[in-house]
Amino acid sequence: DIQMTQSPSSVSASVGDRVTITCRASQGISSWLAWYQQKPGKAPKLLIYAASSLQSGVPSRFSGSGSGTDFTLTISSLQPEDFATYYCQQANSFPPTFGPGTKVDIK
Amino acid sequence: EVQLVESGGGLVQPGGSLRLSCAASGFTFSSYWMSWVRQAPGKGLEWVANIKQDGSEKYYVDSVKGRFTISRDNAKNSLYLQMNSLRAEDTAVYYCARGNFPLDPWGQGTLVTVSS
Repeated sequence: DIQMTQSPSSVSASVGDRVTITCRASQGISSWLAWYQQKPGKAPKLLIYAASSLQSGVPSRFSGSGSGTDFTLTISSLQPEDFATYYCQQANSFPPTFGPGTKVDIK
Repeated sequence: EVQLVESGGGLVQPGGSLRLSCAASGFTFSSYWMSWVRQAPGKGLEWVANIKQDGSEKYYVDSVKGRFTISRDNAKNSLYLQMNSLRAEDTAVYYCARGNFPLDPWGQGTLVTVSS
């Protein structure tokens, strides 16, 4: 199975900060990567697919980049509603696997 | 509005069975792969299974293979997960999600607790 790692595991940030989360795959996955946001007690929500494509309705402050093994999710200006846990997911190889998550909380 | 609503979770003893359902609305259910993903309490996300539009292809994570069965009824716009021989480690919130990849949207989840 492809192992997905994320760093940092948690980050404390302030409203307006730029936040970058990294996701690394144990082997190349081309651009078969998605990012999800999950708030406590809620279902995950798709933010980014195909590594850099913004899902419809998702604010443009979210962006994704990367290919192969290294990917990033960037929030250009953190908003109060962005405090959540973020997961990456690969689907290049079976089974699809998720990263362990990065929690973004209030500094 | 696209909506997925899971049901069927609850408390079950180890070795027991449970059938989860996911009712879909707001889209052409028969046109999409469908998936189940679970999340153990306080843990991350784990993909469990998916099924092709016509049910002809089904895939499972190794840890549930032979114990869980995914199915669908396109006439009822419904997805199912039959879970047998349940173990404590199957305790989780189970989400259904539209698609194979990416997964969008997700239902609100249903909690399965395996305990004596």
